[in-house]
Amino acid sequence: AQSVTQLGSHVSVSEGALVLLRCNYSSSVPPYLFWYVQYPNQGLQLLLKYTSAATLVKGINGFEAEFKKSETSFHLTKPSAHMSDAAEYFCAVSEDFGNEKLTFGTGTRLTIIP
Amino acid sequence: GAVVSQHPSRVICKSGTSVKIECRSLDFQATTMFWYRQFPKQSLMLMATSNEGSKATYEQGVEKDKFLINHASLTLSTLTVTSAHPEDSSFYICSAGLAGGITDTQYFGPGTRLTVL
Repeated sequence: AQSVTQLGSHVSVSEGALVLLRCNYSSSVPPYLFWYVQYPNQGLQLLLKYTSAATLVKGINGFEAEFKKSETSFHLTKPSAHMSDAAEYFCAVSEDFGNEKLTFGTGTRLTIIP
Repeated sequence: GAVVSQHPSRVICKSGTSVKIECRSLDFQATTMFWYRQFPKQSLMLMATSNEGSKATYEQGVEKDKFLINHASLTLSTLTVTSAHPEDSSFYICSAGLAGGITDTQYFGPGTRLTVL
């Protein structure tokens, strides 16, 4: 069975500071990993995905994540936070390449301090 | 890019009535659509997987007779909440995967907020 743990339900960073959102996964097979962002009262938007190619994945809006098998982690980072980054971020895992169900973490709410 | 729409975006209904939510893939065909519900400040929980032309597969604990799913075409899936009660109030989100070939991404709709009075 697959699962995702997001450490820290709330993260606050100052504008211009590094953003680090943590995600650890559990999977019985090589996983496919995703980060999604959700703005208030909206659906989810894909930030980036790992599908067994390069371990460092670059996404939209300056975000990137690194797949570390030894640590079973897929942390999301951004060098310099912007006010518009304030949102809820979800890490998700899938065990199948294709139209297979996603298991989501509990989410991390990112607040940007002016 | 692939766009998924949901209608309505918000709905308020009385307890005991039924509500239908539509999920459409606007510019692609989706053999598989997924329905999630999200409680306030919580994660998305998969309710069911819907495949075009066949019965939906429900996750454990989801009542199939209460949450009716129909996937009649490659661009439309509907979720009907039957005899809705206040505890059914939630944010319902659908997603769709591209049909044919290799895909590794689900595209999410904007969600439907259901409030049952």
